[in-house]
Amino acid sequence: DTAVSQTPKYLVTQMGNDKSIKCEQNLGHDTMYWYKQDSKKFLKIMFSYNNKELIINETVPNRFSPKSPDKAHLNLHINSLELGDSAVYFCASSHGDLRLDYGYTFGSGTRLTVV
Amino acid sequence: GQQVMQIPQYQHVQEGEDFTTYCNSSTTLSNIQWYKQRPGGHPVFLIQLVKSGEVKKQKRLTFQFGEAKKNSSLHITATQTTDVGTYFCTLSNDYKLSFGAGTTVTVRA
Repeated sequence: DTAVSQTPKYLVTQMGNDKSIKCEQNLGHDTMYWYKQDSKKFLKIMFSYNNKELIINETVPNRFSPKSPDKAHLNLHINSLELGDSAVYFCASSHGDLRLDYGYTFGSGTRLTVV
Repeated sequence: GQQVMQIPQYQHVQEGEDFTTYCNSSTTLSNIQWYKQRPGGHPVFLIQLVKSGEVKKQKRLTFQFGEAKKNSSLHITATQTTDVGTYFCTLSNDYKLSFGAGTTVTVRA
């Protein structure tokens, strides 16, 4: 069983389109995240949700809208895609009470290419 | 906010040799975590260090947390081709894991 699964794995789309990425975790974690990894491998947090509530929004353009229907799911919707949005987007989950003995568990990533 | 700096950015290692990558912070850290990302893969949790001077080993990998809790190191002995990837140190606070820039390791067979 995949612990953190995100779909799609690859996404190629034109500028101006709207797209969504879905994420689900079956670890019973109460906190989920979206990270963006650029071409230089730098990983930057975008959003953090704890028990369906948004707790971190790291100055991400409001074209990006996360939604957490329940604590096992965190989706990311992106409006009006721009070339600079091309990156790999990782979903992750963890125990939010900082019991980090097992760290964060990451999904396999969604490689978004905007053309 | 707190940040961690990693050096070197790139490490080219001959198979069988040892190497060390370092993680430094200007402020005291409550804990530090290390992750490994294989080429084309996703970050995978390796270990967490919490105590001052803590040393933990995982087979050929040795992790150390500095006495002042401002730096950490990862030492790999007898490098193998399976060690290829990017190693990240991170600091965690307030529902957020902040990644260093990583050390990308390549291995010459």
